[in-house]
Amino acid sequence: EVQLVESGGGLVQPGGSLRLSCAASGFTFSSYWMSWVRQAPGKGLEWVANIKQDGSEKYYVDFVKGRFTISRDNAKNSLYLQMNSLRAEDTAVYYCARVGTVATIYYYNYYMDVWGKGTTVTVSS
Amino acid sequence: SYELTQPPSVSVSPGQTASITCSGDKLGDKYAFWYQQRPGQSPLLVIYQDTKRPSGIPERFSGSNSGNTATLTISGTQAMDEADYYCQAWDSSTAVFGGGTKLTVL
Repeated sequence: EVQLVESGGGLVQPGGSLRLSCAASGFTFSSYWMSWVRQAPGKGLEWVANIKQDGSEKYYVDFVKGRFTISRDNAKNSLYLQMNSLRAEDTAVYYCARVGTVATIYYYNYYMDVWGKGTTVTVSS
Repeated sequence: SYELTQPPSVSVSPGQTASITCSGDKLGDKYAFWYQQRPGQSPLLVIYQDTKRPSGIPERFSGSNSGNTATLTISGTQAMDEADYYCQAWDSSTAVFGGGTKLTVL
């Protein structure tokens, strides 16, 4: 069974740091792009970052650039999100997702085909 | 930055057809993806590459994408289909989600 299990969420003060982890199982982790997506309380889905199979390419949404870092350890089948300089608006459930790819003649399209249950991050003093 | 617009809510009677739209500039030139999120649950991919259903997704879910609008259609809507639905596209190295549509099955 394909499974993604996030951990590492919690309460942190503004300006603080947190590292999220995602343990993958049931598929060949090293063969897939991976992603983090978040959802603030009562709000919609918001993509955060993607990382290529070997970690050589990373994409981020503008509002986390310079503060968040996505990484992976294929030997441990694990995905990470290092979050620094946290703000109240970063409060959300953070989902780990496996990424599917579809090619057009111009570029690749990425989407999330398997999701974890999420881990909650609360930024508050 | 690219934007996708969805109606905040759609209502449908059980057994009827529900249509949820997603609008974006030249969206038909991209691929549209759709996710279902039931209350308290994680999102679930229901349509990818405009029209394809992942394994395990009922045939009553279908999709289309042309011009500036992608549409998720649920035929013979059931009470269990009541959920939030999000469209998504990929643009300029960024995944973009629509704001979500709450489907109510009355």
